[in-house]
Amino acid sequence: DQQVKQNSPSLSVQEGRISILNCDYTNSMFDYFLWYKKYPAEGPTFLISISSIKDKNEDGRFTVFLNKSAKHLSLHIVPSQPGDSAVYFCAASSITGNQFYFGTGTSLTVIP
Amino acid sequence: NAGVMQNPRHLVRRRGQEARLRCSPMKGHSHVYWYRQLPEEGLKFMVYLQKENIIDESGMPKERFSAEFPKEGPSILRIQQVVRGDSAAYFCASSPQGQDFGEQYFGPGTRLTVT
Repeated sequence: DQQVKQNSPSLSVQEGRISILNCDYTNSMFDYFLWYKKYPAEGPTFLISISSIKDKNEDGRFTVFLNKSAKHLSLHIVPSQPGDSAVYFCAASSITGNQFYFGTGTSLTVIP
Repeated sequence: NAGVMQNPRHLVRRRGQEARLRCSPMKGHSHVYWYRQLPEEGLKFMVYLQKENIIDESGMPKERFSAEFPKEGPSILRIQQVVRGDSAAYFCASSPQGQDFGEQYFGPGTRLTVT
């Protein structure tokens, strides 16, 4: 049962343009969400998080938007850079839970 | 400050052998989580441990898999009598506190191949 879904396995974007990565979840108890970035042969690296009390969180070129009614979150990267090419995972948890549920990842390629 | 360390990075085992995966959390972190990533899949939670305690093992198969985090030394994920389906990347993560609004820091993973 995949409670966190990333329906786009891959995305290609031109350098300098906006990258939008999407994530949907099914469990309405989830109230904390994170995005991780993963390069080949490395572990995931934390990027940005958002709690359910907010609908937007921004950190430099990265912005995460949360739409609780739609159970949807998205990660915007602008402007995209070639070094952003990686697999991006979204993850969700509830304050009462002990685990994060990860999506299957979206492979982003930023074309110079 | 060294990050989360995992060893070995690559491990090859024949069917029926035992696999031991080690994870040293970041300095000052007392919470360890193990995840498994099968090919073409996301990370799946396996177990959450604090020093000398298993807090949540709901994601771990009931047989052949065990985990520990002793008072001294790294956390160990142990897989007995490995089968081909155990071939995966195993990631460990640590955090300085519990799950409440804290991100986890991941190690580089151990890639287990069962032949």
